[in-house]
Amino acid sequence: DADVTQTPRNRITKTGKRIMLECSQTKGHDRMYWYRQDPGLGLRLIYYSFDVKDINKGEISDGYSVSRQAQAKFSLSLESAIPNQTALYFCATSDPWGREETQYFGPGTRLLVL
Amino acid sequence: GENVEQHPSTLSVQEGDSAVIKCTYSDSASNYFPWYKQELGKGPQLIIDIRSNVGEKKDQRIAVTLNKTAKHFSLHITETQPEDSAVYFCAASIRSGYNKLIFGAGTRLAVHP
Repeated sequence: DADVTQTPRNRITKTGKRIMLECSQTKGHDRMYWYRQDPGLGLRLIYYSFDVKDINKGEISDGYSVSRQAQAKFSLSLESAIPNQTALYFCATSDPWGREETQYFGPGTRLLVL
Repeated sequence: GENVEQHPSTLSVQEGDSAVIKCTYSDSASNYFPWYKQELGKGPQLIIDIRSNVGEKKDQRIAVTLNKTAKHFSLHITETQPEDSAVYFCAASIRSGYNKLIFGAGTRLAVHP
């Protein structure tokens, strides 16, 4: 089984709708991240969490919110989706007690906002 | 601001040839440089990394070199195979309260049989 899973894998929604992307991990890592990938722009950090009580904004947090329900679960919400949020979204984890900079990515969620 | 530039954006080689992807970073305090490979429909997977206390690291057909003075690092793939075809991302750690990774824009590598 994959260590980092994301659901759904694909999602089509309409402008103005609220949607939630979910991430679960079995790696036992405290740190979790949400990234957005756009063609030609690489991966940009949306939010990150160092533990259940620690949530921080990344470079491009506007229009997004997150919830860290447990050590293993980190959800990303789009409160009111807009077309320029169409992108590939990745969740990642890292271990602060090991090679802390190394991040492990999920398979991604492809989101289309019409 | 902090950034990582990656070149080329696309690279096409014949099977058996070598491929080189180059990245430059802006933060002189960066000390960790991972490389990720992203295959179609999958998330990025770490393939090799290097820390600032070494200049070169090799793992079978893959090697990474680091020039701290010039603030650039490179990925070298020798004897390329069709299964090396993917998008490759470089990244550099940025120390701003925590170890954030800044990613390059990616290189799409195509290896032709």
